[in-house]
Order: sequence, then structure tokens, then C-alpha cells
Amino acid sequence: EAGVTQSPTHLIKTRGQQATLRCSPISGHTSVYWYQQALGLGLQFLLWYDEGEERNRGNFPPRFSGRQFPNYSSELNVNALELEDSALYLCASTEGAPYNSPLHFGNGTRLTVT
Amino acid sequence: AQSVTQLGSHVSVSEGALVLLRCNYSSSVPPYLFWYVQYPNQGLQLLLKYTSAATLVKGINGFEAEFKKSETSFHLTKPSAHMSDAAEYFCAVSKAAGNKLTFGGGTRVLVKP
Repeated sequence: EAGVTQSPTHLIKTRGQQATLRCSPISGHTSVYWYQQALGLGLQFLLWYDEGEERNRGNFPPRFSGRQFPNYSSELNVNALELEDSALYLCASTEGAPYNSPLHFGNGTRLTVT
Repeated sequence: AQSVTQLGSHVSVSEGALVLLRCNYSSSVPPYLFWYVQYPNQGLQLLLKYTSAATLVKGINGFEAEFKKSETSFHLTKPSAHMSDAAEYFCAVSKAAGNKLTFGGGTRVLVKP
């Protein structure tokens, strides 16, 4: 089966611009999670989408937003980019709750803000 | 709220030596605990998980972890390190009815020949 795919693999933006990151989950998975992996800060939970709805979000400002489409793919949008938004953004999908079904991660999108 | 602490951001082991990665958790409810591995330029991959069955959990690639409630620990071990074990390892916790994983800061493992 195809794994979780993320695009683009690399994205370079300037401060103040907007970035859009995309994620396609494994076929049959309805939940998509977004994590930010910034240097020295570990993995920080951003957003959780399930069945097209935002179910939970982490401690990030509103300029981080996203959506999930009817085919369960997802998009993460970051507005008014700041230098500290530079990070690896990981998408993961699961077919159930994460305590019961493992998260399957994509290889990430590396966002660089200059 | 649950949290995870990984002791040591970097660990260096010789090939063939024991690998020991430490993880301590805090959780207001019985936790579900996980170890994930991240190889360079890749996403995370599940190594093993504890879900209140056996306290000693065996995972892939020869890794295992032991849940010790009295010590609130879930340390990861492998008896004999291989060069291919060089990666970053993350401990994570989820509440039984929770809907997200909370990750520790990660431990990067370097294997010396």
C-alpha cells in the first residue's frame, strides 16, 4: 500500500508570505495529524482532522490553520510567516485513535522562512 | 495533562553494545506508551507500544521496552547495537481516551564501529 505522502518536500518562503503544505493519508485512513518538528523543540502537535472536521489543535496561533477534504487528504496553511516557523512539518494518518492504531508518518515538508 | 521526558538528547554506543534509551512519563490516567524511530530525512516509524497488557513489550528490529509503573518509566533497550540503529528515537504517550500523541524531545543515537 502507498504510504502517507506529503508535498512539497521543500518549501522556501520569505517572512510575511503564506505557505500551503499538503498531505495524502494512507487509503482507508480517516484521521490526519499535523506535527511541527523545529530544531531543538522536538515534535509539537499542531492539528488533528477526522472525517473532515478539526477535532483538536495544539498551542499554536490562529495563523496556523488547515482543512481536510472529502477524500481525507489535508492541507496545512501558515499565514504571515515568521522566521521561527522554519521547521519540518510532519503529517501522519491513522485509521483509529492513536492509542490503539499506530500513526503512519510521511517524510515531511521542510519549510524554510528567510 | 500527560508529558514525556527523555533523558539524554544524544547517546553514543559502540556496535554490538547495549542500547538503553530512557523515557519517563507523567499522566493523570493509565497511559498508552510508544516508541517511534526517525531515520534521516524520513518520517517517524512505530517501534513498539504498551497498551496495558504485558509490561515487557517487544518491538521491531530487536528493540524492547519495559513499563514500570512504580518508576513511571518506559525505557527502550536493544542488547546489541547495529550500525543501522543510528537514528533519532522518540518516546510518546497518549491517554486511553485521548486523541493525540505527546512526544518527548527525542534521543539521537550514534553507533560507532
